[in-house]
Amino acid sequence: EAGVTQFPSHSVIEKGQTVTLRCDPISGHDNLYWYRRVMGKEIKFLLHFVKESKQDESGMPNNRFLAERTGGTYSTLKVQPAELEDSGVYFCASSPRDRGAEAFFGQGTRLTVV
Amino acid sequence: RKEVEQDPGPFNVPEGATVAFNCTYSNSASQSFFWYRQDCRKEPKLLMSVYSSGNEDGRFTAQLNRASQYISLLIRDSKLSDSATYLCVVKPYNTNAGKSTFGDGTTLTVKP
Repeated sequence: EAGVTQFPSHSVIEKGQTVTLRCDPISGHDNLYWYRRVMGKEIKFLLHFVKESKQDESGMPNNRFLAERTGGTYSTLKVQPAELEDSGVYFCASSPRDRGAEAFFGQGTRLTVV
Repeated sequence: RKEVEQDPGPFNVPEGATVAFNCTYSNSASQSFFWYRQDCRKEPKLLMSVYSSGNEDGRFTAQLNRASQYISLLIRDSKLSDSATYLCVVKPYNTNAGKSTFGDGTTLTVKP
């Protein structure tokens, strides 16, 4: 069974540009999460989808970040316009519907804003 | 104060040693607890869930003390391949599955 896949694995963009990250969760997983790890900090929650609905977006840093999960399958996270402090590793994770189920992570997208 | 705090590390131990990591959490409503392992430049991977009665998986033992809001991970007979960063992860009660709150991680290096 395929795991969580993320694309691209790396992205280097200039400040002010737009970047879109994609996440394909494990098939059948209703829950999809986005997390981010910036240099020297812990992994932090960004938002949580249940199917196509945003369950919790309390971790989104500001309105330059937009996440979508149309159709309840894959998800995209767009950063527009990107700033230097957005650099970091963006992880996507998915889990089945069970309340206490552990999440499976993708390998992450390493974003560098220059 | 961070929601999840871990031993700062790093831990450098010889092969065969026993090492213990500690973690405390501040949200008393937390219901699910995990230890994840993250290798350098890789994604976090679930090592084991932590149950109230404590649980063991081979050389790894996890303990939970709800009264003290404390979680531990014990690794016996350390192997070179155990070298990684160990993340303490806590999930809340009041959401469906819900977001995970991570500690900073504790880095372990096992040396020959």
